[in-house]
Amino acid sequence: GQNIDQPTEMTATEGAIVQINCTYQTSGFNGLFWYQQHAGEAPTFLSYNVLDGLEEKGRFSSFLSRSKGYSYLLLKELQMKDSASYLCAAMDSNYQLIWGAGTKLIIKP
Amino acid sequence: GAVVSQHPSRVICKSGTSVKIECRSLDFQATTMFWYRQFPKQSLMLMATSNEGSKATYEQGVEKDKFLINHASLTLSTLTVTSAHPEDSSFYICSARSQASGDLNEQFFGPGTRLTVL
Repeated sequence: GQNIDQPTEMTATEGAIVQINCTYQTSGFNGLFWYQQHAGEAPTFLSYNVLDGLEEKGRFSSFLSRSKGYSYLLLKELQMKDSASYLCAAMDSNYQLIWGAGTKLIIKP
Repeated sequence: GAVVSQHPSRVICKSGTSVKIECRSLDFQATTMFWYRQFPKQSLMLMATSNEGSKATYEQGVEKDKFLINHASLTLSTLTVTSAHPEDSSFYICSARSQASGDLNEQFFGPGTRLTVL
């Protein structure tokens, strides 16, 4: 079956760095997405990886290892506004997104 | 970036009534639109996938006759919750995938519709 695993909740300190891990199993693979979702709002796109390696975009970076079925989202210089849920989603061979349950990130001053 | 709108953003209705939610891609043509439902503190649950001009493909456990989806054009899809009941109260989110080459994979999300059935 298809499955996405990510931690339920993480806590980090303002100004620090946090890494949110995601493992996936899908029928075929067409890329790994990370979305940010604030409470009561729709998800917003953060990153897309389809090749192995690290993609850096400002304070956020995303890493993919296809052979390990593994990705992580790295957030640097954490700000209070980064408190949100972070959703990992893998796209299968039918270009359908398989969603993780999301990781709630709590930032403390 | 591509913009997807949803209307209404919030609706409160009485049990037994029907509610229509519109999803529009504002600056691109969407070959495929997706309808999701999200309950509090849970992840997105895909309800159905709709392609312009054809019948929607519903996920297992989603009632076709209760959640009517119409994708009449490349920029508009509608979800009608028929005979809504309190258990249908949820956050409904649509997303759209671009028709343009090179944009095959990314989905653009609407802002969501908060449905409350009394």
